[in-house]
Amino acid sequence: DTGVSQNPRHKITKRGQNVTFRCDPISEHNRLYWYRQTLGQGPEFLTYFQNEAQLEKSRLLSDRFSAERPKGSFSTLEIQRTEQGDSAMYLCASSLLDSGGITDTQYFGPGTRLTVL
Amino acid sequence: AQKITQTQPGMFVQEKEAVTLDCTYDTSDPSYGLFWYKQPSSGEMIFLIYQGSYDQQNATEGRYSLNFQKARKSANLVISASQLGDSAMYFCAMREGGSSASKIIFGSGTRLSIRP
Repeated sequence: DTGVSQNPRHKITKRGQNVTFRCDPISEHNRLYWYRQTLGQGPEFLTYFQNEAQLEKSRLLSDRFSAERPKGSFSTLEIQRTEQGDSAMYLCASSLLDSGGITDTQYFGPGTRLTVL
Repeated sequence: AQKITQTQPGMFVQEKEAVTLDCTYDTSDPSYGLFWYKQPSSGEMIFLIYQGSYDQQNATEGRYSLNFQKARKSANLVISASQLGDSAMYFCAMREGGSSASKIIFGSGTRLSIRP
């Protein structure tokens, strides 16, 4: 298994355009997370899925943001009507919550760097 | 209030020396987990080590160890015999609640630079 993958790695867009990012988690992982990281800061939680259910959303996730995980495998994060303040690194992570439920360590992908001009 | 505090924005260490990166946390939940991640300039977040609040012993993973002092609410990362490849940002993070909880909260990070 090659780990969490994200596409595209970089995206440059003009203000007002819509963008969509994709995340493919580690294959057996049932949880998937989206985080946003701005320069010089740690990642901030946006939302997470357990299988196909979106169980939690941060207040950071405005109504211009929507995330899906339709079949419980890959996920997409869409930002509508992008603003310059949306420029950031968008990180995806996945984890396996098993019956033991001990650690649930999150493993991160390489991120998608979004620049809104 | 800050949940995770990393007071060292940057550190310089000579190669082969040991280094301690500080992390303090704030929670009233008796069940929580503490994580350290490394982020090289390429951007990916690399999981290093985990400590559960009920773990009796400090976690170790190769050259990494976590100095867990529960009463002080500190979870410092110790890297032994530092290498040039250890130069990166290091983030301390916490998950409150048991493993059924979800998000982890990150500190602001410490940039570690290893001098040859």
